[in-house]
Amino acid sequence: DIVMTQSPDSLAVSLGERATISCKSSQTVLYSSNNKNYLAWYQQKPGQPPKLLIYWASTRGSGVPDRFSGSGSGTDFTLTISSLQAEDVAVYYCQQYYSVPNTFGQGTKLEI
Amino acid sequence: EVQLVESGGGLVQPGGSLRLSCAASGYTFSSYGINWVRQAPGKGLEWVSGVSGSGDITYYADSVKGRFTISRDNSKNTLYLQMNGLRAEDTATYYCARSISVTKPYYCDCWGQGTLVTVSS
Repeated sequence: DIVMTQSPDSLAVSLGERATISCKSSQTVLYSSNNKNYLAWYQQKPGQPPKLLIYWASTRGSGVPDRFSGSGSGTDFTLTISSLQAEDVAVYYCQQYYSVPNTFGQGTKLEI
Repeated sequence: EVQLVESGGGLVQPGGSLRLSCAASGYTFSSYGINWVRQAPGKGLEWVSGVSGSGDITYYADSVKGRFTISRDNSKNTLYLQMNGLRAEDTATYYCARSISVTKPYYCDCWGQGTLVTVSS
């Protein structure tokens, strides 16, 4: 199974500042035949289901504000929130869908 | 609007069985794979199982293989998870989540609100 490791486990950022979350996979999630990274990011607020933010490592989901961006390739990925808003307080998860079982990172709790 | 609504959760004794359902609406159900993802209280997300759009290909996490069975009824737009031999470690909120791929578990673009399963004596 591919192990996904996020860092840090928790993060406190001031309003308007940049937040950066790292996700590393134990093996590549880059599929060479189509040059796509099989990596997604989700946001989960308390008492709510996860919400898709980013897929293919860098494509924003429907309705996701452009302050959220994803980058990276192979085994190293980053989720960046360019200017933190109060409503961004949540737990963020990365997920690989390169192989079954799909696996998630342990989550990063983002606070203000 | 795409909607997924889970039901069937509850309190069950260790070794017992439970069947979860997920009713889908707002899209062509058979055109997408669909997954079960669970979250133990205060913990992270764990992918449990997935099924292709036609229902003929199924996938399981090792932690549930041989105990859980995923299925779907495309005529009723409903996904199921039959859970047998339940253990305390199966206690979690179970989400159904639509996969963007018709054949394999991929990223999930729509999630239900979840149903809580508690395994305890």
